[in-house]
Amino acid sequence: DAKTTQPPSMDCAEGRAANLPCNHSTISGNEYVYWYRQIHSQGPQYIIHGLKNNETNEMASLIITEDRKSSTLILPHATLRDTAVYYCTSSGNTGKLIFGQGTTLQVKP
Amino acid sequence: DTEVTQTPKHLVMGMTNKKSLKCEQHMGHRAMYWYKQKAKKPPELMFVYSYEKLSINESVPSRFSPECPNSSLLNLHLHALQPEDSALYLCASSLRIGPVDRRDGNTIYFGEGSWLTVV
Repeated sequence: DAKTTQPPSMDCAEGRAANLPCNHSTISGNEYVYWYRQIHSQGPQYIIHGLKNNETNEMASLIITEDRKSSTLILPHATLRDTAVYYCTSSGNTGKLIFGQGTTLQVKP
Repeated sequence: DTEVTQTPKHLVMGMTNKKSLKCEQHMGHRAMYWYKQKAKKPPELMFVYSYEKLSINESVPSRFSPECPNSSLLNLHLHALQPEDSALYLCASSLRIGPVDRRDGNTIYFGEGSWLTVV
């Protein structure tokens, strides 16, 4: 199972883009990169996933490097409600989604 | 909005009690999971069920006993717990375990959790 590394905390100004990095240098070829976020006292919320191409949905964009060793989650216009712990993780065929320590994103007015 | 429902939301139990946490999903998912989360820590995988059969047990103590009576339900039976077992217990589900496809990628969806306090 790939190990992920994220900065423990980040700040972002409201309305600006939040770029959250993740290192997953041990990821194997069939493992997808997943991003979740967890707002205090709630269950983790799925944000986006990708294998090797960049992905975009209504919540965020995911940029994966060509060597797949790292990725960046982009929240294009952060709001106060985006303040949360963001987890980068990976999962392949085994069903094991193993969470790292995550990044606490604080969006400030 | 999550479609994984967990009950109860809060549970307080004594160390000699027997209680159960329940989880239900109606998304047609055939894989279900239990995670445990301590304060200020990431969720930790406990069990994985695939097609109602236990697929993964992450060396969880026997005082936690999972059960999957059908494809929509997942229980976690609790007996002789310790205060250090107090945590948020998260249930999750996904379409399946196995080869992923781009469309779903076997995305795992979580419930809101059950807060357990052992006294």
